[in-house]
Amino acid sequence: DSGVTQTPKHLITATGQRVTLRCSPRSGDLSVYWYQQSLDQGLQFLIQYYNGEERAKGNILERFSAQQFPDLHSELNLSSLELGDSALYFCASSPGGSRPQHFGDGTRLSIL
Amino acid sequence: AQKVTQAQTEISVVEKEDVTLDCVYETRDTTYYLFWYKQPPSGELVFLIRRNSFDEQNEISGRYSWNFQKSTSSFNFTITASQVVDSAVYFCALIPTGTASKLTFGTGTRLQVTL
Repeated sequence: DSGVTQTPKHLITATGQRVTLRCSPRSGDLSVYWYQQSLDQGLQFLIQYYNGEERAKGNILERFSAQQFPDLHSELNLSSLELGDSALYFCASSPGGSRPQHFGDGTRLSIL
Repeated sequence: AQKVTQAQTEISVVEKEDVTLDCVYETRDTTYYLFWYKQPPSGELVFLIRRNSFDEQNEISGRYSWNFQKSTSSFNFTITASQVVDSAVYFCALIPTGTASKLTFGTGTRLQVTL
């Protein structure tokens, strides 16, 4: 058990819809990261928050947004969903910097 | 920009065989960290090891060992006496030292260990 909690584990929805993925980091970790894992793109970094502030952005689509709340949990919002958004979305947390990131079990998103 | 290459897409071995997973990286940064993660069939990503670019000592943890060679930009992972439970996809990853701490992952190597 990594200590990072992601909900829901599975999500099935239709094109054009909007979903919210939730992540609770390990106790004491200030940094939260979101990654997308798909067959064609592999594991791709989306965005990082540190203590409530956006710290780094990767290949995140404009239709996607995220935030980190004062209690340090984070949400990833995906809107106007397309078939190609089907993937496994991971949240990771760390104290920050180059320290190991510990991953949640992921949310598997299926777009029908 | 960083790049991590895992040329071996899939490896199959018989239990008790030794197996080495290759990882080659590219970075312009002089200081960086390298990682290995394991993704078993259940899907979670499990942290295995972190190594900084200053430390080229090999590391051993039980049946696992890692060989870091800065001269060849490689960070290879060896499993000794493999077991069926080692079956998973293994990812090598890199973070440059600095404020941006995003992991750049390789494409992974799927290891299948059979009886």
